[in-house]
Amino acid sequence: KQEVTQIPAALSVPEGENLVLNCSFTDSAIYNLQWFRQDPGKGLTSLLLIQSSQREQTSGRLNASLDKSSGRSTLYIAASQPGDSATYLCAVRGNSGYSTLTFGKGTMLLVSP
Amino acid sequence: EPEVTQTPSHQVTQMGQEVILRCVPISNHLYFYWYRQILGQKVEFLVSFYNNEISEKSEIFDDQFSVERPDGSNFTLKIRSTKLEDSAMYFCASSELAYNEQFFGPGTRLTVL
Repeated sequence: KQEVTQIPAALSVPEGENLVLNCSFTDSAIYNLQWFRQDPGKGLTSLLLIQSSQREQTSGRLNASLDKSSGRSTLYIAASQPGDSATYLCAVRGNSGYSTLTFGKGTMLLVSP
Repeated sequence: EPEVTQTPSHQVTQMGQEVILRCVPISNHLYFYWYRQILGQKVEFLVSFYNNEISEKSEIFDDQFSVERPDGSNFTLKIRSTKLEDSAMYFCASSELAYNEQFFGPGTRLTVL
């Protein structure tokens, strides 16, 4: 059974810092991996989708990398802003079945002005 | 920009009652999903739906739950005889194809008293 772990559980940084969020998964037989943002009490906003054949994917100040063989992904946020404060979730999609997403518990990020 | 919508945003019900949660997926998407998130816990997959039938379901999705696409736009989750432990945020999601990026709605917070 796929297990997804995200470290750290919480992170507090001053505005302007570059930061890295980590995601690890136990079964490397994944099709792709998706990073989401969740604001308190709200839905999930998709940030990046990275295919198993890709090493990285970029969107604006966000860069996601994937090392499938070691079961790891990182989300790099450049020049963090207070508006980046949210919980960041990592979810992996296995090779079999109809694309169920298995989620980590998330990293709660607080960026202070 | 197209988005997944869900109604109601908050539903309060008495234990043992039936509830129906409604979703309107993105119009050209073919795959639909329900997930739930109990407060403080991971987002968990419930069921996926394609071509008017369930394509995959988790252990959580027992006989108490059912899904339906009653018309060309709505996708519903019915919970019969609700229990206290059904209290959670329920998210609907959709994707164009099976392994494509999943887009989530804002969620329905279900409170069972």
